[in-house]
Amino acid sequence: GENVEQHPSTLSVQEGDSAVIKCTYSDSASNYFPWYKQELGKRPQLIIDIRSNVGEKKDQRIAVTLNKTAKHFSLHITETQPEDSAVYFCAAYTSGTYKYIFGTGTRLKVLA
Amino acid sequence: GAVVSQHPSRVICKSGTSVKIECRSLDFQATTMFWYRQFPKQSLMLMATSNEGSKATYEQGVEKDKFLINHASLTLSTLTVTSAHPEDSSFYICSARLDRGGNSPLHFGNGTRLTVT
Repeated sequence: GENVEQHPSTLSVQEGDSAVIKCTYSDSASNYFPWYKQELGKRPQLIIDIRSNVGEKKDQRIAVTLNKTAKHFSLHITETQPEDSAVYFCAAYTSGTYKYIFGTGTRLKVLA
Repeated sequence: GAVVSQHPSRVICKSGTSVKIECRSLDFQATTMFWYRQFPKQSLMLMATSNEGSKATYEQGVEKDKFLINHASLTLSTLTVTSAHPEDSSFYICSARLDRGGNSPLHFGNGTRLTVT
């Protein structure tokens, strides 16, 4: 079935450094890729998304890149801050199946 | 906009009883809602896709007779955990997306932490 792999599972960075989280999806028909941030005990919140007709998208300190050929997409956070500490989930959506499949999550810790 | 409300946020029940969880889209209509289950420090596992006016579509391994889903209106889906057991204890979270053409993100409810004693 559909699968999304996410790495790393945990990531610690110093404040001000960059963080990169990578995902690989299995369904070549996937065409939409959102990223969510989930703080402890709270709901996942959308932080950025990218559609399959775009290779890169940026929103202030956050960027996402997509390589359709390799079926990879990545989240880049620059100038990290302690409030960026959370669990981040990638997801892949396929129009044909109407499903959003989530990655396994990355626990990001930004050290002050 | 795109607010999803989920109730209750926490529930403790005894083994063998049933629990109903409600998911409402407050400011938009949602033909489709999704129910996920999340174990501690783990990912969101899709349980079922709830379709307004028709039967839910369950993922492999999810017992449809145990997790009853009803999507009676364009703004409300309910998940009933029947004859709950301790292994059903988990964080259940619903989500919905705006009904519009093309791809759009999911908006999540606050989740329900179920504890079965």
